[in-house]
Amino acid sequence: QLQLQESGPGLVKPSETLSLTCTVSGGSISTSSYFWGWVRQSPGKGLEWIASLYYSGGTYYNPSLKSRVTTSVDTSKNQFSLRLTSVTAADTAMYYCAREGYCANGVCNPAGYGMDVWGQGITVTVSS
Amino acid sequence: DIQMTQSPSSLSASVGDRVTITCRASLDISGSLAWYQQKPGKAPKLLVFPASALDTGVPSRFSGSGSGTDYNLTISSLQPEDVATYYCQHYYRIFRTFGQGTKVEIK
Repeated sequence: QLQLQESGPGLVKPSETLSLTCTVSGGSISTSSYFWGWVRQSPGKGLEWIASLYYSGGTYYNPSLKSRVTTSVDTSKNQFSLRLTSVTAADTAMYYCAREGYCANGVCNPAGYGMDVWGQGITVTVSS
Repeated sequence: DIQMTQSPSSLSASVGDRVTITCRASLDISGSLAWYQQKPGKAPKLLVFPASALDTGVPSRFSGSGSGTDYNLTISSLQPEDVATYYCQHYYRIFRTFGQGTKVEIK
């Protein structure tokens, strides 16, 4: 059974860089049918898509965050990562990693097909 | 970007009631819609995609429908374990967006 687990610091200072890793177990990250994504949820708020990345390197970012976000994949460790620079209090949120459908019935969609496996989430607070 | 508007923002219903949540997209998304259930303190769970197909293991009391800009998630007989916030999400364009959520409670 595929499982995802987020890890990283729970507290980041303003203007610094938030770095998170998602470890995939029970399956390979190097699959042609899926994206690997990041979603966040500010306290008491709704869900915000951050990025979706493909194991071989293709990545799509939320335009509102694009200038501050970078992602990467480490296939040898079955992990993918998120970096968000110049954080402010507005970046305080629960951060989730998720598997997202990419190809279904031979048709591949750069917008994905929905996120079917999620990590439990990690709370990140931006504060001095 | 495509705006996703859910209604109502919250509802309270009795066990056994039929409940319908609506999601309206700001343009025709051609059925490229997913529904998620998020229970308190938990990660979201995929319920329905695309638009009307239940994900594996989702109880049959849940159903999705709609086309064009308007979509519904219906719970045919509300159960106590259905207390959650429900979100729609389009995947019509690369910039995926979610609705603001509908909180479902038991009366």
